[in-house]
Amino acid sequence: EVQLVESGGGLVKPGGSLRLSCIGSGFAFSSFNMHWVRQAPGKGLEWLSSIDESSSYLYYAGSVEGRFTISRDNAKNALFLQMNSLRAEDTAVYFCARDATTVTAEPLDYWGQGTLVTVSS
Amino acid sequence: DIQMTQSPSSLSASVGNSVSFTCRASQSISKYVNWYQKKPGTAPKLLIYAATTLQSGVPSRFSGSGAGTDFTLTIRSLHPEDFATYYCQQSFSIPWTFGQGTKVE
Repeated sequence: EVQLVESGGGLVKPGGSLRLSCIGSGFAFSSFNMHWVRQAPGKGLEWLSSIDESSSYLYYAGSVEGRFTISRDNAKNALFLQMNSLRAEDTAVYFCARDATTVTAEPLDYWGQGTLVTVSS
Repeated sequence: DIQMTQSPSSLSASVGNSVSFTCRASQSISKYVNWYQKKPGTAPKLLIYAATTLQSGVPSRFSGSGAGTDFTLTIRSLHPEDFATYYCQQSFSIPWTFGQGTKVE
């Protein structure tokens, strides 16, 4: 069974940093592109970042570029999101998701349960 | 960035009704649209990918249509578990973008 489990969320002050982790199991983690998506309270889904299987291609939404860094460790089946210079508007539930890489339109076919990040003084 | 505009933002329906809602892209995106269902406190669930293909395990009452800029998700005969928010998402170009959602209530 494919599983994605996020961790690392919590309360952080504006300007602070946080590192989210996502551990995959039940599939060949190193063969799939991976993504981060968030949902702020009462808002819709927002795509944040993606990384290809070999960490050669990294992409970011404009709202987080320069502040967030995506990375992965295929030996540990782990995906990370380093978040720096956090702002109140970064408060959200953060999801990691697997990209069905070889399928047309590369849908996000499996998602973690999400981890809550709250940015507040 | 490609904007995805969903309409309506919400709609009222009853069990057994059929409903359709649309997603319009700000430029042509071929069939690079995916649809997700989202319920509070749970992870999004993939329903339809590449505009028209039903994800494995998703009931056949869900269907998608469209290409280019206009896309539609249809739920034939609503079940109680279908009351949720539905999002379209384009994967034609980076940054990927979601529509603002349609809440079925």
